[in-house]
Amino acid sequence: AQSVTQLDSHVSVSEGTPVLLRCNYSSSYSPSLFWYVQHPNKGLQLLLKYTSAATLVKGINGFEAEFKKSETSFHLTKPSAHMSDAAEYFCVTNTGFQKLVFGTGTRLLVSP
Amino acid sequence: NAGVTQTPKFRVLKTGQSMTLLCAQDMNHEYMYWYRQDPGMGLRLIHYSVGEGTTAKGEVPDGYNVSRLKKQNFLLGLESAAPSQTSVYFCASSSTVSEAFFGQGTRLTVV
Repeated sequence: AQSVTQLDSHVSVSEGTPVLLRCNYSSSYSPSLFWYVQHPNKGLQLLLKYTSAATLVKGINGFEAEFKKSETSFHLTKPSAHMSDAAEYFCVTNTGFQKLVFGTGTRLLVSP
Repeated sequence: NAGVTQTPKFRVLKTGQSMTLLCAQDMNHEYMYWYRQDPGMGLRLIHYSVGEGTTAKGEVPDGYNVSRLKKQNFLLGLESAAPSQTSVYFCASSSTVSEAFFGQGTRLTVV
């Protein structure tokens, strides 16, 4: 069965430093993978998605993720963190009928 | 452009009471979903629908019922609320070619 594992429950960075949020996936075939962001008391917003085209996927707000089949990873990165990036991030895959399977989330803390 | 709208946004129930959460989407999406979000557990699928008149169980369906009488609406019912159902509930919709769009959530507390 398809699943995703987010390796860190919390990540702390300073403003202006790089962000790395880690996600590994498990799938018997080429998966669709997504990163969603949730700001406090808000709904979920799609950051980016991988659907077997280019392995390096660019998303909104300067985020990008690289699909690495050999490592079964789909890590989310951003070169320079901004205070507004503080939020919870979910790595997600989908199964039949577009059902989404969520990781447990990574809370990103950004300090001045 | 409303997208996905959930009502109500907040609700407090007493144990044993019933309620219905309404989800409405205006994107003509075939698929609709109900998820619950609990700390440290991500979002878990309760029930979903692949079209008008259809429903199916997700990962955590016990204690909930759903109906999709119209394509644009997906209702989630709690017949007899329990404290374990205290959670934030999210509705989402998608098509075969789009990503999922989420509502703003309903924060439910059962006391």
